[in-house]
Amino acid sequence: QKEVEQNSGPLSVPEGAIASLNCTYSDRGSQSFFWYRQYSGKSPELIMFIYSNGDKEDGRFTAQLNKASQYVSLLIRDSQPSDSATYLCAPETGNFNKFYFGSGTKLNVKP
Amino acid sequence: DAGVTQSPTHLIKTRGQHVTLRCSPISGHKSVSWYQQVLGQGPQFIFQYYEKEERGRGNFPDRFSARQFPNYSSELNVNALLLGDSALYLCASSSGSAYGYTFGSGTRLTVV
Repeated sequence: QKEVEQNSGPLSVPEGAIASLNCTYSDRGSQSFFWYRQYSGKSPELIMFIYSNGDKEDGRFTAQLNKASQYVSLLIRDSQPSDSATYLCAPETGNFNKFYFGSGTKLNVKP
Repeated sequence: DAGVTQSPTHLIKTRGQHVTLRCSPISGHKSVSWYQQVLGQGPQFIFQYYEKEERGRGNFPDRFSARQFPNYSSELNVNALLLGDSALYLCASSSGSAYGYTFGSGTRLTVV
């Protein structure tokens, strides 16, 4: 089984702050990296994905990838209480898009 | 367009019984994956099917099996249920172009 490590949290940040979520992975063959958000009692929903080393921005979200360090992160700017959820890191591995998820980081944004 | 649909939404079974969970992918999606999620953990990969063929299997016992039909819908079967099989079972579909998976709402299985 591929290893995906995330700090389980909870990570608490005040409203308006930047939340930083980190993930390390073991499979050097992973080429695509996905971040999912999961609200309590709901199924995961895709936030964004990144393929290339560096940063990718999408609204308040920025994904950062460093394949040499096998590290991917998600920054959430201007955090809102509605961002409170568990964030799952999922490197894609091999052919046909097999994903292995980390255990997720629980984010609490305090008003 | 309809998203990924799963049925049933909730299910209660007794130890030793068999269960079948069903999934209809998004129209045009040929790849379907199944995940098991227990409380407090991330989804654990069970199976992946693409074009009706098994393309991957996670570390689950042979009691777990699945198949994909010509219309790309899928079934997950679990035999000889154990209490530890109680979990949320998630089905996800993808167009196969590495743009991520879309998840269904899941089936909550409780084994008593």
